[in-house]
Amino acid sequence: AQKVTQAQTEISVVEKEDVTLDCVYETRDTTYYLFWYKQPPSGELVFLIRRNSFDEQNEISGRYSWNFQKSTSSFNFTITASQVVDSAVYFCALASGGSYIPTFGRGTSLIVHP
Amino acid sequence: SAVISQKPSRDICQRGTSLTIQCQVDSQVTMMFWYRQQPGQSLTLIATANQGSEATYESGFVIDKFPISRPNLTFSTLTVSNLSPEDSSIYLCSVAVNVQETQYFGPGTRLLVL
Repeated sequence: AQKVTQAQTEISVVEKEDVTLDCVYETRDTTYYLFWYKQPPSGELVFLIRRNSFDEQNEISGRYSWNFQKSTSSFNFTITASQVVDSAVYFCALASGGSYIPTFGRGTSLIVHP
Repeated sequence: SAVISQKPSRDICQRGTSLTIQCQVDSQVTMMFWYRQQPGQSLTLIATANQGSEATYESGFVIDKFPISRPNLTFSTLTVSNLSPEDSSIYLCSVAVNVQETQYFGPGTRLLVL
């Protein structure tokens, strides 16, 4: 069985603050994939990143960075210098067990105030 | 990534009626999926739409309630039948070029059942 836990239901920050969204996953498989998606108020789900279990290198893309730690089964997402346009629900997801269909966490709602 | 469109973008329906949602991709894809996102909740996979054969439904979803068609590699429809207020959700189509690739999502269809 696989499971994704996003313990933070809602985070509220002021513009320009850094914010980290937590994601903890559970799987018995050694091969798996982790994802982050963004869902702005418009409702569309926007793909942000995919990592496989053999690649623990952290990734940075502009103001976004991801910290993958197998030792703690975590795949956290940090937004540096947050902006109002970052306001959205962010979903972490896991695909494992030979299936490439992800299981989604419950999502974290990020609100960035001007 | 593929460009995915859904029609309608939103609708308000009366209970007992049905709504058919269309998903169109601008390129051929192997995999197409349908998800439901109930208000304030995460995404739940309804079914995998298979081209030329019956869809593969997840536990808790049945063909009579959610008939799906996939006549070719760029198009699929999801019908939500015998609507009740509990069917009020966002319905999202997603695609993957092949079974191992990342899923990309359409803009979603917001359904409100009165």
